[in-house]
Amino acid sequence: AQSVAQPEDQVNVAEGNPLTVKCTYSVSGNPYLFWYVQYPNRGLQFLLKYITGDNLVKGSYGFEAEFNKSQTSFHLKKPSALVSDSALYFCAVTPQSNYQLIWGAGTKLIIKP
Amino acid sequence: DTGVSQNPRHKITKRGQNVTFRCDPISEHNRLYWYRQTLGQGPEFLTYFQNEAQLEKSRLLSDRFSAERPKGSFSTLEIQRTEQGDSAMYLCASEQGYTEAFFGQGTRLTVV
Repeated sequence: AQSVAQPEDQVNVAEGNPLTVKCTYSVSGNPYLFWYVQYPNRGLQFLLKYITGDNLVKGSYGFEAEFNKSQTSFHLKKPSALVSDSALYFCAVTPQSNYQLIWGAGTKLIIKP
Repeated sequence: DTGVSQNPRHKITKRGQNVTFRCDPISEHNRLYWYRQTLGQGPEFLTYFQNEAQLEKSRLLSDRFSAERPKGSFSTLEIQRTEQGDSAMYLCASEQGYTEAFFGQGTRLTVV
């Protein structure tokens, strides 16, 4: 079965430190990969996506993600965390065959001042 | 605001009643999705439309669920004979082609 795993329910980072939120997937073929963020009482917001090309993708709010095909991973990163980055982050994958998003369970990111 | 709009934002209903939710996508977007999200989980795909055609339904969608998108514009999701297990956040998203999906704020359904 196709799936997306976010192995950490919660990630705690001190403000100013780099952050990584992990995502691995099990999807056949060459999927499209996405990160979304969800703030309390707000809808899911698109951060970035990987379709093809350079394995390092840059997105909104200073976030970037690195695609690793051999490890089937798409980890989200930011060089210097802000308190305002605290939110729920979702990794999603869509097989090119049907373009339906398959979602991870989400990782709660807490940035402490 | 030209984003995806969902109404109502909250709905409390008694078990056994029917409910209907509405989604107004971004106007030029041809694809519209419905997802369901429960606490602590990522969204689960329910169904999607390309223009007015409903192209796929998840096996999660029982016969009590039906969705429409007349004229390829707004969409409605109806749940008949609601059950407590239907309590969740129902999310709508739209996109143009296969770019990125824009989500509404969702409709939170509570079945009591």
